[in-house]
Amino acid sequence: AQTVTQSQPEMSVQEAETVTLSCTYDTSESNYYLFWYKQPPSRQMILVIRQEAYKQQNATENRFSVNFQKAAKSFSLKISDSQLGDTAMYFCASRAPDFGNEKLTFGTGTRLTIIP
Amino acid sequence: EPEVTQTPSHQVTQMGQEVILRCVPISNHLYFYWYRQILGQKVEFLVSFYNNEISEKSEIFDDQFSVERPDGSNFTLKIRSTKLEDSAMYFCASSEPGGETQYFGPGTRLLVL
Repeated sequence: AQTVTQSQPEMSVQEAETVTLSCTYDTSESNYYLFWYKQPPSRQMILVIRQEAYKQQNATENRFSVNFQKAAKSFSLKISDSQLGDTAMYFCASRAPDFGNEKLTFGTGTRLTIIP
Repeated sequence: EPEVTQTPSHQVTQMGQEVILRCVPISNHLYFYWYRQILGQKVEFLVSFYNNEISEKSEIFDDQFSVERPDGSNFTLKIRSTKLEDSAMYFCASSEPGGETQYFGPGTRLLVL
């Protein structure tokens, strides 16, 4: 079974600043996938970034990057040059790679507010 | 860009009534999922579906729930006799063959009175 923990229920940061959201996970799998999803007030779930556990290089998507520490089972999300549109709930999620076990396991989320 | 669509966006129903939530996954995707999110809580997995059968389901997905792919495009979630605690946002998701990423629809907000 996989578990995902997000210890920061809420965060706020000034526009244009950098913010890091924390996520830890636990899994017995040797390979797995990790994701950050964004849920704006419209409540749609939008993929922000993904990381494959067997890849040591941290994933990057424009202003979004991760710090993946496999030994520590940590997967934090860094948002650089934050924008007002980044205001949303952010969920960390994991899944196993096996067929028949594709479900995503989500954390409880971090509500991020970008202050103008 | 292709996207997952869901209808209706909102549904209000009386306790004990049947509801059907509809989803149109991305056209070349073969894996389909339903999740739910009770207000203020995290997203929870309900069921995954592949090759016209359930591949995995959670303990939430009891006999009151069923899924179906009635044609080549729709994927439905039926709740036979709704309870108050079924009030939630229901998300459909799909992924392509061999793909690790699930793409979510905009959700259906279900309110059971």
